[in-house]
Amino acid sequence: GESVGLHLPTLSVQEGDNSIINCAYSNSASDYFIWYKQESGKGPQFIIDIRSNMDKRQGQRVTVLLNKTVKHLSLQIAATQPGDSAVYFCAENPAKAAGNKLTFGGGTRVLVKP
Amino acid sequence: DSGVTQTPKHLITATGQRVTLRCSPRSGDLSVYWYQQSLDQGLQFLIQYYNGEERAKGNILERFSAQQFPDLHSELNLSSLELGDSALYFCASSGAGGISYEQYFGPGTRLTVT
Repeated sequence: GESVGLHLPTLSVQEGDNSIINCAYSNSASDYFIWYKQESGKGPQFIIDIRSNMDKRQGQRVTVLLNKTVKHLSLQIAATQPGDSAVYFCAENPAKAAGNKLTFGGGTRVLVKP
Repeated sequence: DSGVTQTPKHLITATGQRVTLRCSPRSGDLSVYWYQQSLDQGLQFLIQYYNGEERAKGNILERFSAQQFPDLHSELNLSSLELGDSALYFCASSGAGGISYEQYFGPGTRLTVT
């Protein structure tokens, strides 16, 4: 996966605009996917999840899209706010394996411009 | 606040030393997970315990060990510390059924090895 920290891909978005964060996952057998938000100095915070039998799920201001054909996951944030500035991680559960370990992507930093 | 607590918040120690990180899961959660977050490796799953027993293992070094106690709190022991062990260590917990995927993360312990 990509490195985090200094080498994180960054998405700059104007306040009020919509944000789209993309993630490519690796395991075609994964059956569960989660998006986490991590603010500076804090632990990852659950945003939204989706199971592999769905291709879209909506939450409050967020939508997750899953394309299993190309192993792609995206998170859409509507009307982005300054409080949305954070690093966003997608994570997959490698399915059917013992335990529920999550494999995280490298993360995308979102910067919201006022 | 996720309901997961971790202590200490910060830890500074020297190479070759041993430290213990502590985690208390959310009330009612039986599963505890440990993750390491470093600049060059991102968020990496280390190990999962469920109701006192090891459930899944990730890329955990032999110098590292963990356990979950009858009161469900967990400890991660790191020994013979090296500079490269400097990282954020997160604990997460999930639901009572052991098959709940949604993991709630604690605030983390920042370990600095000098």
